[in-house]
Amino acid sequence: DVKVTQSSRYLVKRTGEKVFLECVQDMDHENMFWYRQDPGLGLRLIYFSYDVKMKEKGDIPEGYSVSREKKERFSLILESASTNQTSMYLCASSPPGGGTQYFGPGTRLTVL
Amino acid sequence: DQQVKQNSPSLSVQEGRISILNCDYTNSMFDYFLWYKKYPAEGPTFLISISSIKDKNEDGRFTVFLNKSAKHLSLHIVPSQPGDSAVYFCAASPYNQGGKLIFGQGTELSVKP
Repeated sequence: DVKVTQSSRYLVKRTGEKVFLECVQDMDHENMFWYRQDPGLGLRLIYFSYDVKMKEKGDIPEGYSVSREKKERFSLILESASTNQTSMYLCASSPPGGGTQYFGPGTRLTVL
Repeated sequence: DQQVKQNSPSLSVQEGRISILNCDYTNSMFDYFLWYKKYPAEGPTFLISISSIKDKNEDGRFTVFLNKSAKHLSLHIVPSQPGDSAVYFCAASPYNQGGKLIFGQGTELSVKP
């Protein structure tokens, strides 16, 4: 059974703070993804990674960075949080070649 | 531009009847399509998928239909149950992009007893 965990379910931060969202998967998947979900906009891809230490920009990378030091862990970093980054953040993983992505439970981030 | 579109934000169906959720796409390079179900405050869970070489895939109460000429896919749920009430996302995978998915905006299904 694939398990993707995210470090926090709910997070409240202040404008300008640096925010770290952690994601860990236990299925030895090469591919990992970060999305944000907003009402009426669906899931939008922020960054993804096909292997350790590599990263690719998604559709909305501005204001975010990522880190993948180990295969099982993919971190999303908000360098200086802003109110328009208030959202649900979802992490996913998939085996090489793609196909089904498996999602974590999400982190509801509120930036005040 | 939105490459995957779900034009109905919401759908209400009576328990026991059929639910039909629709999805349109614009990119002919998509070769794999998926449907996900999402409850509030949870991550999306995979429901059913279809390859572009097929036009139908069935799994229990769920059937996905793909019409490549119309660039349209639909998810049928028969019979609908109150536990099916959730947001449904369709997603498409571009050929040779290593598993990247493009998601639609989602349709909120409400199944009333």
